[in-house]
Formats: sequence, C-alpha cells, structure tokens
Amino acid sequence: DQQVKQNSPSLSVQEGRISILNCDYTNSMFDYFLWYKKYPAEGPTFLISISSIKDKNEDGRFTVFLNKSAKHLSLHIVPSQPGDSAVYFCAASAPNQGAQKLVFGQGTRLTINP
Amino acid sequence: DAGVIQSPRHEVTEMGQEVTLRCKPISGHNSLFWYRQTMMRGLELLIYFNNNVPIDDSGMPEDRFSAKMPNASFSTLKIQPSEPRDSAVYFCASTPSGRAQYFGPGTRLLVL
Repeated sequence: DQQVKQNSPSLSVQEGRISILNCDYTNSMFDYFLWYKKYPAEGPTFLISISSIKDKNEDGRFTVFLNKSAKHLSLHIVPSQPGDSAVYFCAASAPNQGAQKLVFGQGTRLTINP
Repeated sequence: DAGVIQSPRHEVTEMGQEVTLRCKPISGHNSLFWYRQTMMRGLELLIYFNNNVPIDDSGMPEDRFSAKMPNASFSTLKIQPSEPRDSAVYFCASTPSGRAQYFGPGTRLLVL
C-alpha cells in the first residue's frame, strides 16, 4: 500500500532549464506535503513544504505546486544547477495518522547535465 | 549550530550480534524519529518520540528491534539479535514540533 508515489525513478535535465519532479498520493487525508533532497552518504535535507490550504509555495528557485483534486504535487526548480543533482523525495502527513508521521515516496534521481 | 548527530556512521557485524545505533537530536527539538532506508522498501518510519515518550512504534519490524530515549538529547535503536536482512541505512531525525523533520547523516549497517 504505497500512499505516496514518485513514478519517475530518474530525470535528466540540461543546466539552466527547468526541472519538474512529480509526486502522486492516494490518501485524501494528507494535509501537509514536503520535498527533501538527498546527496549520497548524507541524510535527506528539507527543501520546501506546502499546506493543503495552498496550491503553490515558492522559495527562491524552488516552487511546489499542489493539485488536491488530482492528488498530485510537483516541484519545479528554475534554473537548474549542477548542484541540484541529487535524489528528491516527496513526503506527506495526515492529522489522523499522527501529524508528525511522514510517508515518503520512493524518490527521483535528478541529474543536471552541464 | 550542530545538526542531528548519529553514531557510528558505519557498522559491520555478524549475524546474531547486538547492534546499537545512537542519535543526538538538535537541541530544543522535542520530537525524534528513527527511519530505515532499503532499496526494496524505501524510507520507512520505525518509531517516533515526543518529549522522550514513544508515541508510535508500529513501524518497528519485530521484537528484535527496540528504541529508547532516556533524555531529550539522546536516543538509541537496538537490534538484538541482528540478521542479514537488517542491513540498511538507519536515519534519525528531529523536529521542534513542526512538520519538517531534520535528518542526521545516517548509519550504514551491514550484517554478515
């Protein structure tokens, strides 16, 4: 029962272009969503989050979009830089499951080509 | 400002041995989480504590796994006895009552 799905295991993007990472979820009770970035041999690093009362949140080059009707969120990185090459995880939490419990997707490996 | 500290960073042990993983959360964070990452199951929550009290241990795979948090600055995850299928990266994370969790660097465990 995979409640959070990242269907693309990998993505390759040219430096300077836009990177779009996608995430789908099945649990309609999820009310908070997060994106994490992970480099090899390091722990996941929190990037950006969004509450279900919003449909967009922006922080510098990173923007997260939430489409509740489609149960879909995406992370846009503009412009993409070589340092953005990493594995990206989306995560979600629901108040009825313990608001602090995060359910993670399987991750998408992003490669930025110079 | 130090982040979450985990030790050891790498552990190689033989099947049947006891393994103890350690975590020091970020000062002032009152919630602590233990995760396990494997290729097959991804990143999964094992147990979490609020104010040193275990809240949800439903992710702990078996009785061989146990976790304690004797004070606000220290937690352990113990596996006894260890098995090859326990080989994984174990992460500790903490949060100051918010939704965003801050992860340590992980402990890479290999059970032979």
